[in-house]
Amino acid sequence: EPEVTQTPSHQVTQMGQEVILRCVPISNHLYFYWYRQILGQKVEFLVSFYNNEISEKSEIFDDQFSVERPDGSNFTLKIRSTKLEDSAMYFCASSQPSYNEQFFGPGTRLTVL
Amino acid sequence: AQSVSQHNHHVILSEAASLELGCNYSYGGTVNLFWYVQYPGQHLQLLLKYFSGDPLVKGIKGFEAEFIKSKFSFNLRKPSVQWSDTAEYFCAVTTSGTYKYIFGTGTRLKVLA
Repeated sequence: EPEVTQTPSHQVTQMGQEVILRCVPISNHLYFYWYRQILGQKVEFLVSFYNNEISEKSEIFDDQFSVERPDGSNFTLKIRSTKLEDSAMYFCASSQPSYNEQFFGPGTRLTVL
Repeated sequence: AQSVSQHNHHVILSEAASLELGCNYSYGGTVNLFWYVQYPGQHLQLLLKYFSGDPLVKGIKGFEAEFIKSKFSFNLRKPSVQWSDTAEYFCAVTTSGTYKYIFGTGTRLKVLA
């Protein structure tokens, strides 16, 4: 069964450094999403992406964040200058039609020191 | 703002006990409703979803949920749990005009053998 994959599974970085989290969505999916879950808190929506552009973003998704689909398979989330409060589990998801169920990757645990 | 509440944060049951996990949302318009499960070390997986039609929805692994519009609820049920149902359960909602999931806080279920 096709799956969403994410790399790395765990990323440790120093405050102020740039990180890129990578996702490979399911191959025939057209809609891509990033969510995050700070320890002990809810899973929160960050951004959705369709047709090579952001279709929706949350207040969390400020200028420090960007997304890109650099080729036909990867979908990346870049955090330009990480802060301590960016420490969280980041989940990528994809869906066929936008309204349909989203398939989630296993997550990348980001630790900012 | 729209929100989703899961009132049971931790539930401990013995095998063969019945399960009901609460989910309430705050939104007066059309909603799509989902229950996801996350087994230890695994992806979020869809258990069941409701878009329209019969408000009693059957999902995988013997789970079902009932949409009660007047109560803004979508409770998850299983008549007889197994040790393998030990996991975290998330309720999620999408509202009209957006495809982002709004998640509840999750409920950790532990089933004792």
